[in-house]
Amino acid sequence: ELKVEQNPLFLSMQEGKNYTIYCNYSTTSDRLYWYRQDPGKSLESLFVLLSNGAVKQEGRLMASLDTKARLSTLHITAAVHDLSATYFCAVAPEASGTYKYIFGTGTRLKVLA
Amino acid sequence: KAGVTQTPRYLIKTRGQQVTLSCSPISGHRSVSWYQQTPGQGLQFLFEYFSETQRNKGNFPGRFSGRQFSNSRSEMNVSTLELGDSALYLCASSSSPYYGYTFGSGTRLTVV
Repeated sequence: ELKVEQNPLFLSMQEGKNYTIYCNYSTTSDRLYWYRQDPGKSLESLFVLLSNGAVKQEGRLMASLDTKARLSTLHITAAVHDLSATYFCAVAPEASGTYKYIFGTGTRLKVLA
Repeated sequence: KAGVTQTPRYLIKTRGQQVTLSCSPISGHRSVSWYQQTPGQGLQFLFEYFSETQRNKGNFPGRFSGRQFSNSRSEMNVSTLELGDSALYLCASSSSPYYGYTFGSGTRLTVV
């Protein structure tokens, strides 16, 4: 059974600091997605990573994918309060077809002013 | 461009009743998936439809069912509701796995 693990589960950080969220998964996949969820809201797509070595950046967030290590990272640079949210990674297992996602547990990020 | 629309936004039902949730995908998106989100279990895949065919199904009991219409709109139905079915139900649509899913705002179901 595919497992997707994120760590840390909770992250409290000061504004201006850098940090990395890790997403490990247990089966082969070359597609990984990152989403953001604000409290009481739906999921917002952040990044789509489609191949080994893929790196995407948007503002203070940068995501990367290492399919051989079955690891994706979401790096936060110089955090600001507006980044406070829960971040999810999702993996599409190769065997499941194209659209079934298995989500990680989520990382709840709180940026302190 | 309109996003994924889910109705209703909130729903309160009694144990044993059934419920139908609706989802209108983004125009042109043929794949529609449903997810259940709870504090304890997180985000869990329910099922995925593509061109009116169910292509994938998650590990949920048969009380959970869905369908997709020719215009790609989708519905999911839960019969004989249980307290544990209380959750946020999210619908998502996509035109290609290379773009990922766009999620709707969800339907928050409370079973009392």
